[in-house]
Amino acid sequence: DAMVIQNPRYQVTQFGKPVTLSCSQTLNHNVMYWYQQKSSQAPKLLFHYYDKDFNNEADTPDNFQSRRPNTSFCFLDIRSPGLGDAAMYLCATSRAAGELFFGEGSRLTVL
Amino acid sequence: QKEVEQNSGPLSVPEGAIASLNCTYSDRGSQSFFWYRQYSGKSPELIMSIYSNGDKEDGRFTAQLNKASQYVSLLIRDSQPSDSATYLCAVINSSASKIIFGSGTRLSIRP
Repeated sequence: DAMVIQNPRYQVTQFGKPVTLSCSQTLNHNVMYWYQQKSSQAPKLLFHYYDKDFNNEADTPDNFQSRRPNTSFCFLDIRSPGLGDAAMYLCATSRAAGELFFGEGSRLTVL
Repeated sequence: QKEVEQNSGPLSVPEGAIASLNCTYSDRGSQSFFWYRQYSGKSPELIMSIYSNGDKEDGRFTAQLNKASQYVSLLIRDSQPSDSATYLCAVINSSASKIIFGSGTRLSIRP
């Protein structure tokens, strides 16, 4: 089945130790998104790629970076995770600005 | 004013009754509206999408859109315990640049 796959599902890191989360999709969607979701809060958009065009939300911390080497893959890099970065990170895709299809998420714990 | 507003709940509904979830949005030019269901610890999954005024039915779910009043609602008929989840309202803004989520309404179906 076509889908959005995130790895790892669970990531534990130490304060300040860089982390990379990955997302791959077989839907051939041109838009890929990274959301951060903390408990009982709405998903918060960090950035998205519309084809190769990178769009960074104004309030996304510099600590967060993203790469999209090709249509199918997208990475989220957290350069120096702090305790406040512990959250579920959701990757989603869409065709143009349409409905989102989410991966299962990567839960990050920062010790 | 938040861009997309929902009552956080919890909304408690007896099994078999109709659950009614509401959402208002601030961007009058918004064109696309979605309801996502999110179980605890899981990623959101699309329940309904609606693009024009009126009702759209899919099984036990009915989405209602009123653009003049800037609200969208979701009705769940014959509520089941498996419907207990957080329901997220999402709106594509008028520039069609991104999807904005509400903070979600937690629904609890009591036996």
